[in-house]
Amino acid sequence: EPEVTQTPSHQVTQMGQEVILRCVPISNHLYFYWYRQILGQKVEFLVSFYNNEISEKSEIFDDQFSVERPDGSNFTLKIRSTKLEDSAMYFCASSNLAGETQYFGPGTRLLVL
Amino acid sequence: GESVGLHLPTLSVQEGDNSIINCAYSNSASDYFIWYKQESGKGPQFIIDIRSNMDKRQGQRVTVLLNKTVKHLSLQIAATQPGDSAVYFCAENYDRGSTLGRLYFGRGTQLTVWP
Repeated sequence: EPEVTQTPSHQVTQMGQEVILRCVPISNHLYFYWYRQILGQKVEFLVSFYNNEISEKSEIFDDQFSVERPDGSNFTLKIRSTKLEDSAMYFCASSNLAGETQYFGPGTRLLVL
Repeated sequence: GESVGLHLPTLSVQEGDNSIINCAYSNSASDYFIWYKQESGKGPQFIIDIRSNMDKRQGQRVTVLLNKTVKHLSLQIAATQPGDSAVYFCAENYDRGSTLGRLYFGRGTQLTVWP
């Protein structure tokens, strides 16, 4: 069964450093998403991406964040200068059609020290 | 407002009993609802979904009920098993023109199944 994969599973970084979180969505999906979950809180939407451009971004997704689809399989989230409050689980999701079921990856646990 | 919430943060049931997890949503324009299961350290796992033109949908051991009048969603798990222990989230989506599938999640209910 196809699934979304994410790397790394865990990342520890120093405040101010750049991090890149990687995702491989399900191969025939066209819509890609990033969400995050701060420990003990609900899952929050960050950004949606379709046709090589951002469709929507939340208020969390400020200028420090960017997304990219560098090739036909990867989807990345970059945080340019990490802050302590960026520590969270980051989930990638993909769907075949807009408004259809989103399938989530296992997440990357980011810890900013 | 854009909020999806759950009535109870925790639910404990005996193995073999039925479980009911509730969710309230505030946006009457929501047209698509999903239940996800999240086990510790893992990503949300799709369980079942329902569209606003339906009031009930059944899967394997799970049933989702939608009451649009009171904006309430529930997930029923039949014959709950220890492997069902997890946090359950409801999520909603509504068409806002350029919005392509953004999901709004509730806070989650921790289901614990006792042997």
